[in-house]
Amino acid sequence: KNQVEQSPQSLIILEGKNCTLQCNYTVSPFSNLRWYKQDTGRGPVSLTIMTFSENTKSNGRYTATLDADTKQSSLHITASQLSDSASYICVVSALNAGGTSYGKLTFGQGTILTVHP
Amino acid sequence: DSGVTQTPKHLITATGQRVTLRCSPRSGDLSVYWYQQSLDQGLQFLIQYYNGEERAKGNILERFSAQQFPDLHSELNLSSLELGDSALYFCASSVDPSGGAREQFFGPGTRLTVL
Repeated sequence: KNQVEQSPQSLIILEGKNCTLQCNYTVSPFSNLRWYKQDTGRGPVSLTIMTFSENTKSNGRYTATLDADTKQSSLHITASQLSDSASYICVVSALNAGGTSYGKLTFGQGTILTVHP
Repeated sequence: DSGVTQTPKHLITATGQRVTLRCSPRSGDLSVYWYQQSLDQGLQFLIQYYNGEERAKGNILERFSAQQFPDLHSELNLSSLELGDSALYFCASSVDPSGGAREQFFGPGTRLTVL
């Protein structure tokens, strides 16, 4: 069964500090992995999308890594800000029999990050 | 603002009723996705349409149905509503028909409360 597991479930850090969120998946065959940021009550916003051949992708202070061999990804946040307080969701897309990834999305439960001043 | 619009923002109804949620994708996007987010289940993919045709189905109940119209807006119909259907329903759009490595833009969501 395709699964995506994120850790930790929640994390509290002080403003200005760095943190790393983890995502382990068993989705196969792999198509791509996305990290989303979701503020409470709002729609998710895409941070990064990585395919099999990419092992690092940055978006400002957010850097995602992907190890397709060990099926692990991490999201590193540098110099955290109060506005980084949100849920971070890892989503893995699988290929279907036709070689496309129509709708074959598996979502992690998310890591709730709280940044304190 | 993602460019994806959803109406209504909030919906309160009773068990057994039927409701329709509406989504307008970003200009130029042909793919529309529907998601359900409840407190205990997290985000779940329901269904995808591309240019009017159903492309993929996720965990969508038989009581739920959707369609995408020629002007590309989409509607999600929920019938015989149960308490457990209370959730945030998100619509997302993308230019990519295959759901591949292209960004999906999410709307603000419709909060459905079933009493």
